[in-house]
Amino acid sequence: ETGVTQSPTHLIKTRGQQVTLRCSSQSGHNTVSWYQQALGQGPQFIFQYYREEENGRGNFPPRFSGLQFPNYSSELNVNALELDDSALYLCASSLAGGSTDTQYFGPGTRLTVL
Amino acid sequence: GENVEQHPSTLSVQEGDSAVIKCTYSDSASNYFPWYKQELGKGPQLIIDIRSNVGEKKDQRIAVTLNKTAKHFSLHITETQPEDSAVYFCAATPPYSSASKIIFGSGTRLSIRP
Repeated sequence: ETGVTQSPTHLIKTRGQQVTLRCSSQSGHNTVSWYQQALGQGPQFIFQYYREEENGRGNFPPRFSGLQFPNYSSELNVNALELDDSALYLCASSLAGGSTDTQYFGPGTRLTVL
Repeated sequence: GENVEQHPSTLSVQEGDSAVIKCTYSDSASNYFPWYKQELGKGPQLIIDIRSNVGEKKDQRIAVTLNKTAKHFSLHITETQPEDSAVYFCAATPPYSSASKIIFGSGTRLSIRP
């Protein structure tokens, strides 16, 4: 167990809807990264939050947005859901925002878009 | 940007035998290489990592080797056991971004035959 928790576990939405996913980082960690994992593929980096600021972003459109709170927990928001957004969404926490910091993953939220 | 290729995509070995998974990366400046194990319905779990100033690292039955010149790194699991069955991901972290943006390989599904 990494101490990283995510909610909800599973979620079903329809095209065009909006969704919010939540993540609580491991105790002592101030950085949260979000990844999208499509079925049968490796996780893909969405963005990272460090001390409540976005600290890097992958190749995802602006309808993917996030927040980090003073207690370092984080939210991932996706607007105007598309069928291709169906995936496992993973968050990972790390001690700081450095490029060699070890990231510890939560169990993920399985999102299905119909 | 960084690209990580992983082989094989599936691997089946007899219990007690060794398993080897190989990865190559494209960005010679990448300096951190974690390996993750993902079991069904769970998030990736860090099993071992190596930094670019080290050529080999071992932790009980698991070892990782890094050849910076060839841009290759490999995971070796000895004396395999049924609980080693899972999907394994190699990854690399390019140093340019301010964020610890992990680039994952496509995964290897390892099955241990009893």
